Amino acid sequence: AQSVTQLDSQVPVFEEAPVELRCNYSSSVSVYLFWYVQYPNQGLQLLLKYLSGSTLVKGINGFEAEFNKSQTSFHLRKPSVHISDTAEYFCAVSSNDYKLSFGAGTTVTVRA
Amino acid sequence: GAGVSQSPSNKVTEKGKDVELRCDPISGHTALYWYRQSLGQGLEFLIYFQGNSAPDKSGLPSDRFSAERTGGSVSTLTIQRTQQEDSAVYLCASSLTPYGYTFGSGTRLTVV
Repeated sequence: AQSVTQLDSQVPVFEEAPVELRCNYSSSVSVYLFWYVQYPNQGLQLLLKYLSGSTLVKGINGFEAEFNKSQTSFHLRKPSVHISDTAEYFCAVSSNDYKLSFGAGTTVTVRA
Repeated sequence: GAGVSQSPSNKVTEKGKDVELRCDPISGHTALYWYRQSLGQGLEFLIYFQGNSAPDKSGLPSDRFSAERTGGSVSTLTIQRTQQEDSAVYLCASSLTPYGYTFGSGTRLTVV
């Protein structure tokens, strides 16, 4: 079984500042890792995913994440945020069974 | 269709009543998933359909919950004798490739 810990429940950030959302996972097998964003009253939208290959993954809207196997982490970063990045962000992990295990989520609030 | 469609978008029901939630996946997507998003439990896997294989029901929380997928397309999640703890957003996702999930906007269920 696998689990995900998102270390920050809320992250306030000023517009045009960088942001990092932390995610750690635990699993006894190889994993696949995901970041999703959820805007109010909407479903989940995939930002990026790591399945194999390069540990630095680039996603949509300027986001990127780095898979660190030794630290069992998959932190999400954006160098300069916009007001429109205000949303809830979820880290998720899966093994070979196609089911996603989600973290509790991080609420990002971008202020002008 | 262009995306995963869920209906109704909102449902208020009285405790003890049965409810049916519908999911129309993206045409051609062979895999379909149901997840539940609630304040206390976060995002939880419920059930997974893949083609004509037997569904993975390991996430269904009780025998009051059931789901079916007709003709490999539309899926219905049924909750019998609803309880207040069933109040949540029920999210459906479909995929053609492994881990290529597209989520719907969800059905917000409120049990009063």
